[in-house]
Amino acid sequence: NAGVIQTPRHKVTGKGQEATLWCEPISGHSAVFWYRQTIVQGLEFLTYFRNQAPIDDSGMPKERFSAQMPNQSHSTLKIQSTQPQDSAVYLCASSWTGGPANTGQLYFGEGSKLTVL
Amino acid sequence: GDSVTQKQGQVTLSEDDFLFINCTYSTTTYPTLFWYVQYPGQGPQLLLKVTTANNKGISRGFEATYDKGTTSFHLQKASVQESDSAVYFCALDSGTYQRFGTGTKLQVVP
Repeated sequence: NAGVIQTPRHKVTGKGQEATLWCEPISGHSAVFWYRQTIVQGLEFLTYFRNQAPIDDSGMPKERFSAQMPNQSHSTLKIQSTQPQDSAVYLCASSWTGGPANTGQLYFGEGSKLTVL
Repeated sequence: GDSVTQKQGQVTLSEDDFLFINCTYSTTTYPTLFWYVQYPGQGPQLLLKVTTANNKGISRGFEATYDKGTTSFHLQKASVQESDSAVYFCALDSGTYQRFGTGTKLQVVP
């Protein structure tokens, strides 16, 4: 059973360029989450989807970050006009939500390490 | 808002030492609490989960008890091994998304 798949594993961009990160959740999982991990801030929540619908994007920097989930097997995180402070590991996670409250464990991918020069 | 606090940034132990990692939380709900472990180059993976129904979680020799009185969820292990070296995260889920502590890096020396 494949886990959460994230691509690319490493991406280097120049300041001002666009970066798109992909996530394939575990088949059958109804919730997909994006987190950002840095040494200074730790694991920061960005956004999540349930049954492909956006539920909470309260952690997303509003101006340059966007996320989509066009189908149940695929989510993307796009960062426009990347800045050096966007450098981080971006982690995607999925979970099965068996009821109205999301109390299931998260299954994380290995992350996409973004470096903005 | 909900929050999780891990005060220990790094812990260094010798093999067979007792492990204690502190975690406290703040919430107005009755959350589910988790401990995740992260190895280099990997995403966090679940170590154990505790709900208000069971109060205690045990996995792979690790255990954590949900204490509503002190709002704590400390992680313990009686005897650590070098293979336990990793970063440990406490997390809280109050019904939306999981909030993580800043992590505690455990280094076990032989």
